[in-house]
Amino acid sequence: DVKVTQSSRYLVKRTGEKVFLECVQDMDHENMFWYRQDPGLGLRLIYFSYDVKMKEKGDIPEGYSVSREKKERFSLILESASTNQTSMYLCASSPVGTGGSKLFFGSGTQLSVL
Amino acid sequence: GESVGLHLPTLSVQEGDNSIINCAYSNSASDYFIWYKQESGKGPQFIIDIRSNMDKRQGQRVTVLLNKTVKHLSLQIAATQPGDSAVYFCAENPGGSYKLIFGSGTRLLVRP
Repeated sequence: DVKVTQSSRYLVKRTGEKVFLECVQDMDHENMFWYRQDPGLGLRLIYFSYDVKMKEKGDIPEGYSVSREKKERFSLILESASTNQTSMYLCASSPVGTGGSKLFFGSGTQLSVL
Repeated sequence: GESVGLHLPTLSVQEGDNSIINCAYSNSASDYFIWYKQESGKGPQFIIDIRSNMDKRQGQRVTVLLNKTVKHLSLQIAATQPGDSAVYFCAENPGGSYKLIFGSGTRLLVRP
């Protein structure tokens, strides 16, 4: 069964900490994405990558960075966590040619920043 | 700005009835629309999609209707089952962009 795996289901961090969220997909997809999901706001795109070592800003990249050193792995980094980054973070992937459309999502990481 | 929205945040239906979830979009450049289902504790799951050159597309128990004149999208679920209880998101892709635009979601509750 194909899947997108996020390393942690729940994380609790303190303000100012550097936080790493890891995502791995086993579908050999070219495109990978990081979204955050907040009540009433739907899903908002943080960053995406269409190839190894390539990255593009989404709609809300401030306070975040990403890394894609291998095709199957896409990491989201919070350089200095703040309370307004408390959210559900969703990783997704999609095959080449589908852009940001037919996304396969992981189960999410609920991050709380105290 | 351009956005995708939903008319009803929560929809409650009787098991066995048909459900209709509505969505309005504002970006006339969008040429591809998708419905996702998100169950509690899980990530969104692709349900069905439709391109702008179509008015209707059917899947298993689900139908998506697209009315480009009024920029309206709907998801119809036939014979709604308890397993259909979830949050449903519509999304639009303006011109093959990587930036999919999601609506804020509608929660579907199925009464036994």
